[in-house]
Amino acid sequence: QVQLQESGPGLVKPSQTLSLTCTVSGGSISSGSYYWSWIRQSAGKGLEWIGRFYSSGSNYNPSLKSRVTISVDMSKNQFSLKLSSVTAADTAMYYCAREGWELMYDYWGQGTLVTVSS
Amino acid sequence: QSALTQPASVSGSPGQSITISCTGTSSDVGGYNYVSWYQQHPGKAPKLMIYEVSNRPSGVPDRFSASKSGNTASLTISGLQAEDEADYYCSSYTSSSTLKVFGTGTKVTVL
Repeated sequence: QVQLQESGPGLVKPSQTLSLTCTVSGGSISSGSYYWSWIRQSAGKGLEWIGRFYSSGSNYNPSLKSRVTISVDMSKNQFSLKLSSVTAADTAMYYCAREGWELMYDYWGQGTLVTVSS
Repeated sequence: QSALTQPASVSGSPGQSITISCTGTSSDVGGYNYVSWYQQHPGKAPKLMIYEVSNRPSGVPDRFSASKSGNTASLTISGLQAEDEADYYCSSYTSSSTLKVFGTGTKVTVL
C-alpha cells in the first residue's frame, strides 16, 4: 500500500521560502511509472494544482511557476516543494499526491497546513 | 485557466440519487477523457472516486457512477447514504499550459 506523508514548517514569514517534503513508502518514486505532485487548498476554497515531478522533468502551474521548484531525492524516496516570496495568499493546506498515467491522483498525503504570517 | 464549474451544493434524502455536474470547455473536459472525481470529508485528504470519466478504482462502491457529454462531466450517487455527505471535486487534464484544472467543488448534503 502506497503512503505519502508531508512534512515541514507550519508557519512561514512573508517574503520567505516555504519548504515541504513528501516521503513516499510502499512504492519507489524512481520507478518512472507515475507523476509526483503537489496540490494546495486554501481554507474554504477549492483545490489548486501546483506542479509535478516525473522521470523526464517537471511541470508547474503557470500562475506559480516563477516561484516554485519541485525536486526529488531518490535515495530517500522523497520529493520536495519550494515556494519562494510567500504572501498571506499562500496560506493553505498542502498535499502531495501520486498521479497515474491516467492523470488521476490515486494516493494522497494527509496534508500539512502552512500559514504565512509574521 | 478557469476552474471547472460545479454547483455549490446538492442535497438528497437517503436512498435517493443525485447528480453533480462539472462544466468545462473543449480544451479540458470536452477534449479529453482524463476526467476524475474526488470525495473529501472535512479535515481529510481527497479520495479518488472516478478516473478516466467513468472508471471506478477498486473499493469504490458501484453506486458511484460517472459520464461525460460534450463539455460537461457528471457524477451520480445512487442510493445515497449518510457517509456520502462530503465535498466532491472534479478534475481534468487541460491543453492549456496549466495542464490540470479542478472544479469549484460541490457540497453534498444528505437530508
